[in-house]
Amino acid sequence: AQTVTQSQPEMSVQEAETVTLSCTYDTSESDYYLFWYKQPPSRQMILVIRQEAYKQQNATENRFSVNFQKAAKSFSLKISDSQLGDAAMYFCAYRKGLSNSGYALNFGKGTSLLVTP
Amino acid sequence: DTAVSQTPKYLVTQMGNDKSIKCEQNLGHDTMYWYKQDSKKFLKIMFSYNNKELIINETVPNRFSPKSPDKAHLNLHINSLELGDSAVYFCASSQVGGTEAFFGQGTRLTVV
Repeated sequence: AQTVTQSQPEMSVQEAETVTLSCTYDTSESDYYLFWYKQPPSRQMILVIRQEAYKQQNATENRFSVNFQKAAKSFSLKISDSQLGDAAMYFCAYRKGLSNSGYALNFGKGTSLLVTP
Repeated sequence: DTAVSQTPKYLVTQMGNDKSIKCEQNLGHDTMYWYKQDSKKFLKIMFSYNNKELIINETVPNRFSPKSPDKAHLNLHINSLELGDSAVYFCASSQVGGTEAFFGQGTRLTVV
């Protein structure tokens, strides 16, 4: 079974600063996807960024980027120029397989991010 | 238009009752899911359907029964509700060959 570990239950960052959220995972699969989802107080699950395991290049979406270390099974999220709206619970998730959409997401326990003015 | 919509958003009910949560997606996706988020915010898969066929059925009490009348709908029926069923239930969908799942807004179920 695949497990996803987020070792930081809570993190805090000042507005405009940079913060990195950690995630490690355990798998014997060679093909898989990794995701970061954001859950604000509204409860909605919002996709922040995704990474295909077969791609060596780290994914980037505006102020969000990842550091994907496949050998180390590490997938951290960096948020640059933090904004008050970034405050939320962040979940790291793993999904095996290339094209079978029947595979579900395995989630970490989440990191609660607080952004201070 | 909401891509994945669940009804109701909030549900408060007494122990022993039977309740249903409905989910519809207008994305044309082939696969739909039910996830449960507990009081500690942990998200865990319950069921997955692909083209109306059950694909994943995790260790969930058989009081929970998913029903998929067509590939755009996946409803969750819960019999004999217990206090421990209180949680947020999320519906999601994804496409064959796609990657990420799209989530509904969640249903907060409170059993009293």
